[in-house]
Amino acid sequence: DQQVKQNSPSLSVQEGRISILNCDYTNSMFDYFLWYKKYPAEGPTFLISISSIKDKNEDGRFTVFLNKSAKHLSLHIVPSQPGDSAVYFCAAFIRSGKSTFGDGTTLTVKP
Amino acid sequence: EPEVTQTPSHQVTQMGQEVILRCVPISNHLYFYWYRQILGQKVEFLVSFYNNEISEKSEIFDDQFSVERPDGSNFTLKIRSTKLEDSAMYFCASKRGGNTIYFGEGSWLTVV
Repeated sequence: DQQVKQNSPSLSVQEGRISILNCDYTNSMFDYFLWYKKYPAEGPTFLISISSIKDKNEDGRFTVFLNKSAKHLSLHIVPSQPGDSAVYFCAAFIRSGKSTFGDGTTLTVKP
Repeated sequence: EPEVTQTPSHQVTQMGQEVILRCVPISNHLYFYWYRQILGQKVEFLVSFYNNEISEKSEIFDDQFSVERPDGSNFTLKIRSTKLEDSAMYFCASKRGGNTIYFGEGSWLTVV
């Protein structure tokens, strides 16, 4: 039972354009969601979070949107930069700390 | 900037041996986690730890695994009798409160 899904394994965008990464979940009991960026053989780097009681959170170039009725969240990066090229994971958490990660989406930003 | 540090960065061990992976969380953090990522697979939650006890653990975290915070700064993951399928990158993470969880760089465990 895959509770968190990132249906697009890869995404390619042009520098300066918007990158939109999507994530779907099945468990309505998740309390908050995080987006991470990861390079091979490195630890995940925290990008942005959103509580289940919010529908939007913004931090600089990163905005996360949560649609609870659709059980869907998305990460918008604008403008995209070549340094944003990495694997992006969404992760869903319950209060106890138990979490489920998506499979990741590889973002490539072309100069 | 404070960071979560993990040692060793890479360890090779014989099947059946005990392994201890060490983590130093960010100093004023209160919640601690271990995750693993088998090569080519997703990051998987193992255990969360708060107030000197396990608050949640996954199905992966069976009796061969244990965690400890022996001295108020280190947070360790022990694998009692390693199996080939324990080969993975193990990540420690911590948070003070709220929703921001910081990860370490990982310890790559190879069981041969």
